[in-house]
Amino acid sequence: EAGVAQSPRYKIIEKRQSVAFWCNPISGHATLYWYQQILGQGPKLLIQFQNNGVVDDSQLPKDRFSAERLKGVDSTLKIQPAKLEDSAVYLCASSLQNTEAFFGQGTRLTVV
Amino acid sequence: AQSVTQLGSHVSVSEGALVLLRCNYSSSVPPYLFWYVQYPNQGLQLLLKYTSAATLVKGINGFEAEFKKSETSFHLTKPSAHMSDAAEYFCAVISNTGNQFYFGTGTSLTVIP
Repeated sequence: EAGVAQSPRYKIIEKRQSVAFWCNPISGHATLYWYQQILGQGPKLLIQFQNNGVVDDSQLPKDRFSAERLKGVDSTLKIQPAKLEDSAVYLCASSLQNTEAFFGQGTRLTVV
Repeated sequence: AQSVTQLGSHVSVSEGALVLLRCNYSSSVPPYLFWYVQYPNQGLQLLLKYTSAATLVKGINGFEAEFKKSETSFHLTKPSAHMSDAAEYFCAVISNTGNQFYFGTGTSLTVIP
C-alpha cells in the first residue's frame, strides 16, 4: 500500500514570497490533515478535511494560509506571503474515520 | 477540546535501562490514544494505539503502553532501551465522537551507551 506522498521535501524562499505544498493521501482515506511542526515542538493542526469539506481550520492563519482539496483526494497548502516565523516542517496525514493518522515525510520550509 | 500533556520534554536513559515516557489526557470520555515516534528528518510513525479494547497495548519495537482511566494516563514503556530508540516521541488523542487529532508537545529520548 502506498503511503502519504508529499512534495517538495525541501523549500527555501524569501519572506513575502509565496509557496505551495502538495499532498496525496492514502487511497480511500477520507480524512486529510495538514500540520505545522516548528523545530522542537509538537505538530500543530492547521486544517482538517473530510472528503472535500473542511472539518476544522480554527488554527489556520487565514490571512496568509489557504488549503484546498477540490476533488476530495489530493490537497494543496499555500502560504502567501510567507513570514520568517512560517519556517517549519509541514506534515500531511490521512486517516479513515476514527483511526490512526498516517503521515508523509513532510516538507521542510525555510523562509529567509 | 481533547488534549494530551507529556511530562518531561527530554528523557535520558542508559542503554538497557527501562524507558518510561509519560502522557496524560484530558477527557471525560475515554478517547482513542496513540504514541508516535519521529526520527530526524522523518515523518511520524505509529508505535501503538488504544481504541477501547485491551488496556495494555503492545506496539512495535518492544514498546507498550497502559491505558489507566483512573489516572487519565497512557504512559509508554520499554523494558530495555536500545540505541536505536533515540528519537522524539509524541502522544496523540482523537475524540471517539469526532475526528479531531491532536498531539502533545513531544518527549526527546536520549539513550546513553
